[in-house]
Amino acid sequence: GAGVSQSPRYKVAKRGQDVALRCDPISGHVSLFWYQQALGQGPEFLTYFQNEAQLDKSGLPSDRFFAERPEGSVSTLKIQRTQQEDSAVYLCASSPPGGEKLFFGSGTQLSVL
Amino acid sequence: DQQVKQNSPSLSVQEGRISILNCDYTNSMFDYFLWYKKYPAEGPTFLISISSIKDKNEDGRFTVFLNKSAKHLSLHIVPSQPGDSAVYFCAASAGSTSGSRLTFGEGTQLTVNP
Repeated sequence: GAGVSQSPRYKVAKRGQDVALRCDPISGHVSLFWYQQALGQGPEFLTYFQNEAQLDKSGLPSDRFFAERPEGSVSTLKIQRTQQEDSAVYLCASSPPGGEKLFFGSGTQLSVL
Repeated sequence: DQQVKQNSPSLSVQEGRISILNCDYTNSMFDYFLWYKKYPAEGPTFLISISSIKDKNEDGRFTVFLNKSAKHLSLHIVPSQPGDSAVYFCAASAGSTSGSRLTFGEGTQLTVNP
């Protein structure tokens, strides 16, 4: 059984460049979350989808951050005009209907130079 | 505003002894608590959880204790094993449904020495 898959595993971007991070959740999981983890910190909530509906985006730090899940499965987190402070590990997590816990992917480590 | 706090960045114990990891929270709306374990270059994996209607939950070598009046929870690992060496995150949510967002602490690096 495949877990949550994220790509790319590592991404190096020049400041000002746009990036797109992909998350493929576990099949059948309706809930999908994006978290940002800075070095030495715990994961911080960014946004939440239930199927294709983005129900909570209160954690997105600026309007440069955009997430979508158009068909209720794969999700993409897009960051426009990247800044050095965007450097972090971006974690995707999913959970099944009625699920109490999240299953995390291995994350995408973004470095903005 | 750090709503979930793990005050010990690191903990070192001998193999076979007890590991106790602590976590404090401030938000009274939190009613479901989880511990996640994270190895380097991997995502966090679920370890154990507890609802606020309980004060203890046990799963094999792992026990979580919840003290609601003190807004404090702890994770006990007995006996500790070298493979338990990892970063442990405490997390909390208001509700235990699949849509409940988790608020994480900063993590505690546990090292179990052979």
